[in-house]
Amino acid sequence: DTAVSQTPKYLVTQMGNDKSIKCEQNLGHDTMYWYKQDSKKFLKIMFSYNNKELIINETVPNRFSPKSPDKAHLNLHINSLELGDSAVYFCASRYTGSPQRRSPYNEQFFGPGTRLTVL
Amino acid sequence: GEDVEQSLFLSVREGDSSVINCTYTDSSSTYLYWYKQEPGAGLQLLTYIFSNMDMKQDQRLTVLLNKKDKHLSLRIADTQTGDSAIYFCAESTWGGGGNKLTFGTGTQLKVEL
Repeated sequence: DTAVSQTPKYLVTQMGNDKSIKCEQNLGHDTMYWYKQDSKKFLKIMFSYNNKELIINETVPNRFSPKSPDKAHLNLHINSLELGDSAVYFCASRYTGSPQRRSPYNEQFFGPGTRLTVL
Repeated sequence: GEDVEQSLFLSVREGDSSVINCTYTDSSSTYLYWYKQEPGAGLQLLTYIFSNMDMKQDQRLTVLLNKKDKHLSLRIADTQTGDSAIYFCAESTWGGGGNKLTFGTGTQLKVEL
């Protein structure tokens, strides 16, 4: 029933490791996002994909590589993890296609978040 | 710049009104939003306002928008302990080729008995 789901919910790993976070939405949306929330609760967009195509890439280290195998999934792979990568990562989605199906106020639906802790 | 500013903390007594303020930066924002984040949880859309509106009321929530000053506020009437959470304002902006949300710094609301 969950509209936007993320796995895992918690991820604890050592510095230097490579890890992936997965996101899936069953809302039929065509645009998906990754946001990072740091320890001060500040939320910032990282990436956005529309129909599997990267459309937003903020100033994010290239150790972060998003991958969208299909419109319902957007995964985030992180290489060579650093202490500063510790944060909560949120996935979100919305529909930008036909006006009849679009949310009237451009709403983005958020997943529950993945708390990444790098030791 | 894209800084959306909010005061960090607000403490109120149960039953009082809470007013959370936000100053945004992009005058071309079409929609402005208020999100609620409870501890350990994701983001829940509370309400939104279209940029050509001055005010929107939704049950206990009242949103006021002052476009001239780029100021947005959220008033929660009869605040309850269940309202304790972090509240984020957000503006919908275009950047880097796509539409995105730019969030405020968040206001931690604490409701005391």
